[in-house]
Amino acid sequence: GEQVEQLPSILRVQEGSSASINCSYEDSASNYFPWYKQEPGENPKLIIDIRSNMERKQIQELIVLLDKKAKRFSLHITDTQPGDSAMYFCAASLSGSFNKLTFGAGTRLAVCP
Amino acid sequence: GALVYQYPRRTICKSGTSMRMECQAVGFQATSVAWYRQSPQKTFELIALSTVNSAIKYEQNFTQEKFPISHPNLSFSSMTVLNAYLEDRGLYLCGAREGARSDYTFGSGTRLLVI
Repeated sequence: GEQVEQLPSILRVQEGSSASINCSYEDSASNYFPWYKQEPGENPKLIIDIRSNMERKQIQELIVLLDKKAKRFSLHITDTQPGDSAMYFCAASLSGSFNKLTFGAGTRLAVCP
Repeated sequence: GALVYQYPRRTICKSGTSMRMECQAVGFQATSVAWYRQSPQKTFELIALSTVNSAIKYEQNFTQEKFPISHPNLSFSSMTVLNAYLEDRGLYLCGAREGARSDYTFGSGTRLLVI
């Protein structure tokens, strides 16, 4: 089945700087790549996603890039704020009636004031 | 909007006993429901995928005998953890989606503590 690797596991940045999280996947048939943010004690919430027909997507300060040839995708948070501190998970899946999400191991982001 | 209510939020059970968790989809039809477990300091492992009117598909290392799932209609699903032991502790999440859409709406999770 699909495997997703996510790095780094811990990321500390200064407020106002950018943060980048990188993921890679193995199944070239995967075509949907969501990113989730999980606050302590809460469930993961979808913050941005990208499908295989795109290479770049931006929602406000969130940018996701997809390189299908290299089977890599990444999340970039520009102008980080303390409220961005959380666990972030990337995932990959294949669209279809019985698809499943395979999650990365997660990145703990800490934005220091 | 699409919402998934999951309950209970937290539960404590004695080792060897069982506990049941439920998910209710509101605002959409939960054609597919995925149950995940997040063990302490780990990522989300898929336990099983359930599609209404189809067989429930369990992932390797998870069985129906241990995690029986019910998905009787387009708004409700439940999962039971039978004979829970220490290694079963963690956050259990249900995620539901409608039709062929790829994004899941997740419930708030059930945090299981086994003592």
